[in-house]
Amino acid sequence: GNSVTQMEGPVTLSEEAFLTINCTYTATGYPSLFWYVQYPGEGLQLLLKATKADDKGSNKGFEATYRKETTSFHLEKGSVQVSDSAVYFCALRGSGGSNYKLTFGKGTLLTVNP
Amino acid sequence: KAGVTQTPRYLIKTRGQQVTLSCSPISGHRSVSWYQQTPGQGLQFLFEYFSETQRNKGNFPGRFSGRQFSNSRSEMNVSTLELGDSALYLCASSLEVAGGQGDTQYFGPGTRLTVL
Repeated sequence: GNSVTQMEGPVTLSEEAFLTINCTYTATGYPSLFWYVQYPGEGLQLLLKATKADDKGSNKGFEATYRKETTSFHLEKGSVQVSDSAVYFCALRGSGGSNYKLTFGKGTLLTVNP
Repeated sequence: KAGVTQTPRYLIKTRGQQVTLSCSPISGHRSVSWYQQTPGQGLQFLFEYFSETQRNKGNFPGRFSGRQFSNSRSEMNVSTLELGDSALYLCASSLEVAGGQGDTQYFGPGTRLTVL
């Protein structure tokens, strides 16, 4: 079945530092890949997505590139802000039948200090 | 366009009771999925409904059930509640087109269920 592995947290950074959160996946076929963010006490918000190999998703300064050769979708941001403090989830969604569900990684807690 | 709404936002129940949670998808979205989020197990897929039919089901006991109405609104029911059912229950909707892939799921704020 499909699976997602993301780096263990927590991650603590100073404001304006560079962020990388690693994510690798196992899936058959050509899944779509997503990053979601969850702020305290809230549901999940879509951060960015990519639906085919070499696609780059980007939003709010965050980027991730769909790398089929390394089965990876690492999240990066050049300069984090205190407001980026949240839990980040990498997820994939397959195609057809039972693969339509989202499979999530365990989440990475990011804390950004001023 | 209004987002996914879930009611109630918070629930406290006791063991053995049953509970019904409601989800209204984004207007025009035909697929509704439910997920359970706990600190120990993370985010786990419960089931997905599309055009009033359950299309996918996760690995949860039969105490967990759901349905979807003709207006795409969905409910999930948990019977005979156990302490371990305490969790954040998230609903997500997506547009879905026939043969499409990667339709984005948009999440509601969740219902926080506490079982005492």
